[in-house]
Amino acid sequence: DAGVTQSPTHLIKTRGQQVTLRCSPKSGHDTVSWYQQALGQGPQFIFQYYEEEERQRGNFPDRFSGHQFPNYSSELNVNALLLGDSALYLCASSLAGLGNTIYFGEGSWLTVV
Amino acid sequence: AQSVTQPDIHITVSEGASLELRCNYSYGATPYLFWYVQSPGQGLQLLLKYFSGDTLVQGIKGFEAEFKRSQSSFNLRKPSVHWSDAAEYFCAVGARRDGANNLFFGTGTRLTVIP
Repeated sequence: DAGVTQSPTHLIKTRGQQVTLRCSPKSGHDTVSWYQQALGQGPQFIFQYYEEEERQRGNFPDRFSGHQFPNYSSELNVNALLLGDSALYLCASSLAGLGNTIYFGEGSWLTVV
Repeated sequence: AQSVTQPDIHITVSEGASLELRCNYSYGATPYLFWYVQSPGQGLQLLLKYFSGDTLVQGIKGFEAEFKRSQSSFNLRKPSVHWSDAAEYFCAVGARRDGANNLFFGTGTRLTVIP
């Protein structure tokens, strides 16, 4: 049983460009969340998708957007990249509802130059 | 608003010694509480979680944590540390209202284990 898988694992982008990160949730999971982890910091919640809709959003600008597909996989898009967007982007999946364990992928390292 | 404080940025212990990592949270109601571990270049692995019931929670790899409502704490403990425990440890709080799918993390404690 594959866990949460993310792609790509590493990428380098130039300031002002756009990036798309992808996530496949753990088998059977229907809820996907995205987190940003800057170097030396804890992960910060970006947003959560359930039933192909954004259900919750953290304190991130509209440059950060996402999508969830019918097979529950998800994409994170970041437009107009800034140097400060350089971070590890973590995808997490779970079953909807209280008390369900959240599983994390190994992340996508984004460097903006 | 939720917040999590991990007051120790870096802890060094000898292999075989006991370990306690501190975590204090701020939340208006009874929270869900979690400890995750992150090895270099890896994602987060769940060590244990507290939702309700017994305030002493057992996790994987011999870790345990105790929820103390009066102190707003959820400290992580291990009686005997192994070299493989060296990693970054994150405490997190999940809001019940949000179905525990939205986690607020502390800034982490880096554990170094010396022979």
